[in-house]
Amino acid sequence: NAGVTQTPKFQVLKTGQSMTLQCAQDMNHNSMYWYRQDPGMGLRLIYYSASEGTTDKGEVPNGYNVSRLNKREFSLRLESAAPSQTSVYFCASSDTTTHRSYNSPLHFGNGTRLTVT
Amino acid sequence: TQLLEQSPQFLSIQEGENLTVYCNSSSVFSSLQWYRQEPGEGPVLLVTVVTGGEVKKLKRLTFQFGDARKDSSLHITAAQPGDTGLYLCAGGGDSWGKLQFGAGTQVVVTP
Repeated sequence: NAGVTQTPKFQVLKTGQSMTLQCAQDMNHNSMYWYRQDPGMGLRLIYYSASEGTTDKGEVPNGYNVSRLNKREFSLRLESAAPSQTSVYFCASSDTTTHRSYNSPLHFGNGTRLTVT
Repeated sequence: TQLLEQSPQFLSIQEGENLTVYCNSSSVFSSLQWYRQEPGEGPVLLVTVVTGGEVKKLKRLTFQFGDARKDSSLHITAAQPGDTGLYLCAGGGDSWGKLQFGAGTQVVVTP
């Protein structure tokens, strides 16, 4: 059972370049999320999708865009990368049809390590 | 603004010792989740507590949610090297997408 799959695992970009981080889950979860993890900052929510066809901003959305392509896939796009976007990015999914959103367990992928020079 | 403060930031102990990690906030949470993260991987859920004063046990791990639902603790008895990892607490509010993570406590258990 693959769970949540993220690609790529590593990426180096130059300032101003663009890229899309891909995420797919095979657990039939309705909700998906993008977080970034920085030392001493914990995990911060960038965007989330409560259900297919909807997306909403999280705590740190500036510089990012998302697309919920279908129920399985949720991508994160950096249009013009900046050094401040150097981070580890995690995609997660949860089943909020059987749990309230605030206590629904998150299932994480293994992350994308992005460096912007 | 970090709403959840975890302490200590780093903990290094010998195998067999006990340890406690704390998660504190001035805010009330509807639920509190604990995750463990190993190098190169995403966090994995250990437990969710939802009731003030609730205590849950997972083998050698004991989780407690404060009576006022503002704080939580994780106690590990007789730690083993396999307990090594980054422990994260996350508080859930009433609004969608409002799961707040603490910065984490790095635990290292040496044989």
